[in-house]
Amino acid sequence: QQQVKQSPQSLIVQKGGISIINCAYENTAFDYFPWYQQFPGKGPALLIAIRPDVSEKKEGRFTISFNKSAKQFSLHIMDSQPGDSATYFCAASPGGYNKLIFGAGTRLAVHP
Amino acid sequence: DAGVIQSPRHEVTEMGQEVTLRCKPISGHNSLFWYRQTMMRGLELLIYFNNNVPIDDSGMPEDRFSAKMPNASFSTLKIQPSEPRDSAVYFCASSLGTGGAEQYFGPGTRLTVT
Repeated sequence: QQQVKQSPQSLIVQKGGISIINCAYENTAFDYFPWYQQFPGKGPALLIAIRPDVSEKKEGRFTISFNKSAKQFSLHIMDSQPGDSATYFCAASPGGYNKLIFGAGTRLAVHP
Repeated sequence: DAGVIQSPRHEVTEMGQEVTLRCKPISGHNSLFWYRQTMMRGLELLIYFNNNVPIDDSGMPEDRFSAKMPNASFSTLKIQPSEPRDSAVYFCASSLGTGGAEQYFGPGTRLTVT
């Protein structure tokens, strides 16, 4: 049973545009929602994370929006750059555990 | 800090052979995770340890897979016998703390079983 659904599978954005990736979860016990970024040939690396007590978190050009009632969260990349081209994974963690359930990933290509 | 270290980086083996993947977590981290990444199934958690004790191995696909963590600085993932469908990139990650701590991933081991 897929517990974290991520969309779209792939995304093409022009340089300077906004990239938006969406995730939905089912388990209301999840209480930690990170986004990981993965470049080809590398392991995923934490980009930004949020807990359900806030609706938005911003770090530089990256923003997470969180809708607890809809059980959805999204990543917004403002002023997208070619260097942002990577695969992005949303994830969720059940309370009290370190375990992460990952979404299927979104391959982002930012064209100059 | 050198980060999470995995070896080998690439492994090519024949079906039926034993494969052992190795991981050295970041010093001081108390949780260690083994993941498998494929195009079809994405990033799957196989097993994770907390303070060297296996906590959740529900992702281990079958008895051919086994993992150990004999001490805080070393873990192995063994596949015996290996099959072509085991071909994937295997990642090790470590973290400090509980309840949503950042996981630091290693560079991965690309396994090809022919």
